[in-house]
Amino acid sequence: LAKTTQPISMDSYEGQEVNITCSHNNIATNDYITWYQQFPSQGPRFIIQGYKTKVTNEVASLFIPADRKSSTLSLPRVSLSDTAVYYCLVGLYNFNKFYFGSGTKLNVKP
Amino acid sequence: DTGVSQDPRHKITKRGQNVTFRCDPISEHNRLYWYRQTLGQGPEFLTYFQNEAQLEKSRLLSDRFSAERPKGSFSTLEIQRTEQGDSAMYLCASSRYYRKTSPNYGYTFGSGTRLTVV
Repeated sequence: LAKTTQPISMDSYEGQEVNITCSHNNIATNDYITWYQQFPSQGPRFIIQGYKTKVTNEVASLFIPADRKSSTLSLPRVSLSDTAVYYCLVGLYNFNKFYFGSGTKLNVKP
Repeated sequence: DTGVSQDPRHKITKRGQNVTFRCDPISEHNRLYWYRQTLGQGPEFLTYFQNEAQLEKSRLLSDRFSAERPKGSFSTLEIQRTEQGDSAMYLCASSRYYRKTSPNYGYTFGSGTRLTVV
């Protein structure tokens, strides 16, 4: 399984844009990059997925450089409810299993 | 469609007892996964099914653990002779797998079963 490296924690304030970068140096050609969000006592929730360049949905944007060895999750104008752990995962197109790592604990302050 | 459902939400058991958890996936999802998560760590893969076939098991799944998915619908995870080290959140997820060249747009996780072994 391709492993990822993320910051352990980040602090932000309400209304700010938050960028969480993930390193995945050993990403394989067929791997996709997926981000999940997890609140305490809940299962992880899918946020966004991409293969290259930029992907945007109603929740976040995902930026992937040409070498694909890293990716950045961008959360626009965060609120207190975005306080959670964010996981970056890489996996094969058929996604039979993921390596989650410890994730990034985002703390949004008022 | 009410998402992935797990039962029970919480389970406290004495060391040495057997426990069984149930997962009901999203009905049209043909893949079902079990993960385990301990405090402060990310989920760790245990096993997965495609329809009723168990296709892969992690080394974390000792012989005290067994998972089934009869008829390719709900799944059960049984832990025999529980140990304190089994205390964790057990997460179930499901997904729809189309074909080898098709991206799988992520899992849908349930809320988990929190097991406490005393």
